This record gives sequence, structure tokens and C-alpha cells, in this order.
Amino acid sequence: DVKVTQSSRYLVKRTGEKVFLECVQDMDHENMFWYRQDPGLGLRLIYFSYDVKMKEKGDIPEGYSVSREKKERFSLILESASTNQTSMYLCASSTGTIHNEKLFFGSGTQLSVL
Amino acid sequence: SQQGEEDPQALSIQEGENATMNCSYKTSINNLQWYRQNSGRGLVHLILIRSNEREKHSGRLRVTLDTSKKSSSLLITASRAADTASYFCATPGSSNTGKLIFGQGTTLQVKP
Repeated sequence: DVKVTQSSRYLVKRTGEKVFLECVQDMDHENMFWYRQDPGLGLRLIYFSYDVKMKEKGDIPEGYSVSREKKERFSLILESASTNQTSMYLCASSTGTIHNEKLFFGSGTQLSVL
Repeated sequence: SQQGEEDPQALSIQEGENATMNCSYKTSINNLQWYRQNSGRGLVHLILIRSNEREKHSGRLRVTLDTSKKSSSLLITASRAADTASYFCATPGSSNTGKLIFGQGTTLQVKP
């Protein structure tokens, strides 16, 4: 089975800190995604990557950046954390692009910014 | 941008009853997917139905797709307390990049 691992289940940071959320997948998937999930808003796509060193903005990229130096690892970076970035962050991966195949999700990181 | 919208937002039933959730979407799609999320966890893929399919089964799950109405339904038969979770439909984004757009989900509570 595909495993998508997010480095932290819970994280508490202070306003202005630089925050790194790490995600690793073990199935050689080309695509990786970062979503955030908020009550009443569902899942919203922040950034995605379809190859090493390639990235594309999702629907809400402001305040975030990403890094994909290796195929298995996709990092989400909050340059200067703010309280409105308190959220559940979900990483996902998938293979192929033509038929939009299913996503495999990590367990999520609940980030609190104080 | 929201593509899929689920209805109802919340559903509470007794164990053994059937649960039906609906999803509407706006643009043409090549497939539609349903996911489940247990409280505080990541999403798990349940089933994918392609645009040339009208119905698909997987165990106690039955999914239908009506492309003329741009809608899908997920039926869980003989529900169990363990089915308590949030259920999301997801459709492909506008370009062939593999990204999915999720609805806001239906929260299902199955009472024992």
C-alpha cells in the first residue's frame, strides 16, 4: 500500500515564525499536493507539484511556498506564520496526470499559530 | 474554487439504515471520486466512477453518476457505527495536472 507520511500530527508555532511541513511518499508518485482544511470551507488546494523541482499554485497560495528537491518529498513552507494559517494541512500524492487518478493522503498536520 | 457541492451537509441515521449523499458539480468531468475522512485524520479514497459509467458498486457502497444533471450520489447500505465519518466528492481541476477539487463534505453519524 502507498504510504504518505507527514512529519508532525500536531504543531504549535508563534506568529512570525518560519514553519516547515514535511511530506514523504514511498510509491514513486509523480504528483504531490498540499491542501488545507477548515470547517465550513472544505479542502482547498495550496500548491501542487507534478515533477521534481516543478510546482504550480493552487487556489490559495498566498503566504505559502513549497519545495520539491526529491521526488518522494514535498515540503510546505510558511514564510512568516500568521494566526489565519491555523488549520489542518493535508498532503497527498498520486500517479499519472491524464486520468486524474485517486489521491493518497497523509494523516494530516494540525497547525496552531498563536 | 468549489467544483463539487455535497448535500446534505449533515446526516444522522440509525445503524442498519441506508445513507444517501449527493454531489453536484459545475463543469464537464472525466471522472468523479468519493473519499471518506474519519475525524481528525486524512482522507481515504473510496471509489472512482468514470464519465462513461452510470453506476458502480464496491461492497456496501453504490455510486451513481448522471452527467446530464452534473450530479452523483453515494449510497451506503446497511450502515454501521464505524461508517461515521465525513464523505467528500472530488472532481478533476480544469487542466490535466492530476489535481482534484473537493466539495465541503457530508458529515454522517450512524447511531448504534
